[in-house]
Amino acid sequence: GDSVTQMEGPVTLSEEAFLTINCTYTATGYPSLFWYVQYPGEGLQLLLKATKADDKGSNKGFEATYRKETTSFHLEKGSVQVSDSAVYFCATNQAGTALIFGKGTTLSVSS
Amino acid sequence: NAGVTQTPKFQVLKTGQSMTLQCAQDMNHEYMSWYRQDPGMGLRLIHYSVGAGITDQGEVPNGYNVSRSTTEDFPLRLLSAAPSQTSVYFCASSSPGRTNYGYTFGSGTRLTVV
Repeated sequence: GDSVTQMEGPVTLSEEAFLTINCTYTATGYPSLFWYVQYPGEGLQLLLKATKADDKGSNKGFEATYRKETTSFHLEKGSVQVSDSAVYFCATNQAGTALIFGKGTTLSVSS
Repeated sequence: NAGVTQTPKFQVLKTGQSMTLQCAQDMNHEYMSWYRQDPGMGLRLIHYSVGAGITDQGEVPNGYNVSRSTTEDFPLRLLSAAPSQTSVYFCASSSPGRTNYGYTFGSGTRLTVV
């Protein structure tokens, strides 16, 4: 079945550092790919998405490019802030009906 | 427009008790799904539905039942709660034309089984 693998955390960075969180997927067909973010004590928010190969999703300074040849959707941000501290989840939509998530990566940013 | 509403927000159960977690959406979405979130495990799909009267199992369906009698509601039933079901539960919805554009999540139910 479909699955998502993302890098284990926690990731600890200083403010203004560069962030990469790796995500790879296995899926049949042509799924869409998502990054969700969960801030402490809150629910899930959609951060960005890409619906087809070579699409780049972007939001709040975060970017991820849908790479079909490497089945990857790595999340990047050029300069992280303390307010970016959260848990980040990579996901794909299984047959378009429900989401399959990775295990999540906890990001902690210190000033 | 309330989106996806989950009730209750918190619940403590004793082992063996039963309960129903409620999920309702007012966006006329056909697709609804339930997830559980556990530390280090991410969110795992329990059950999902593509429309009224249609449900299917996800990755971790054991110990949970669902039904979908209306488009709006997708309750999750625990028939005999176990400590292993202590978790945070999220409900989500979308529609066939929107799945590529994200899913709407409820705020979650934190369940503790003692």
